[in-house]
Amino acid sequence: DAGVTQSPTHLIKTRGQQVTLRCSPKSGHDTVSWYQQALGQGPQFIFQYYEEEERQRGNFPDRFSGHQFPNYSSELNVNALLLGDSALYLCASSLQGYTEAFFGQGTRLTVV
Amino acid sequence: QQQVKQSPQSLIVQKGGISIINCAYENTAFDYFPWYQQFPGKGPALLIAIRPDVSEKKEGRFTISFNKSAKQFSLHIMDSQPGDSATYFCAASNIGGGATNKLIFGTGTLLAVQP
Repeated sequence: DAGVTQSPTHLIKTRGQQVTLRCSPKSGHDTVSWYQQALGQGPQFIFQYYEEEERQRGNFPDRFSGHQFPNYSSELNVNALLLGDSALYLCASSLQGYTEAFFGQGTRLTVV
Repeated sequence: QQQVKQSPQSLIVQKGGISIINCAYENTAFDYFPWYQQFPGKGPALLIAIRPDVSEKKEGRFTISFNKSAKQFSLHIMDSQPGDSATYFCAASNIGGGATNKLIFGTGTLLAVQP
């Protein structure tokens, strides 16, 4: 079992650009949540996808969007990047109806 | 009301000692309280979790104590080892509200266990 895998591991982008981050959930899981973790802070919930639909959203602007594919993998897209978007982006997978959520290693995004 | 307050911000413990990290919450709808361990450059790893119908849960050297009336819960690490040195996050979620498993995290505690 490969667990939750995220790609890429590191990324450097310029202000104003767009970025796409990818996540493959743990085998058997059908729900993917995305979190943003700023340096020295706890993860902040961005949104969650289940059955290819956004089910719940945190306090993030519309520049943050996502998608879930039929194989349960997911993408996080961020448009018009700001310096403040620099953070570790974490994907967590779970099985709908169950409590445990398992995180990937994250994608470190640096906006310059 | 969605916040989870965590303390202390950092903690230094001698090898073999007990590490204690505390969290408090306001939202009484929270019904799932996990603890995560995070090493530098890695994602958080689920350590142990508790539901509010029990006051304590123990797994190996890790114990969660839960006080529903005080809306507080804590992580105790017995016989702390240098390999336990990491950042620990408490979290809370409202599972009964629709099983979306949106986790609200505390601000983290950086634990250093000295040999």
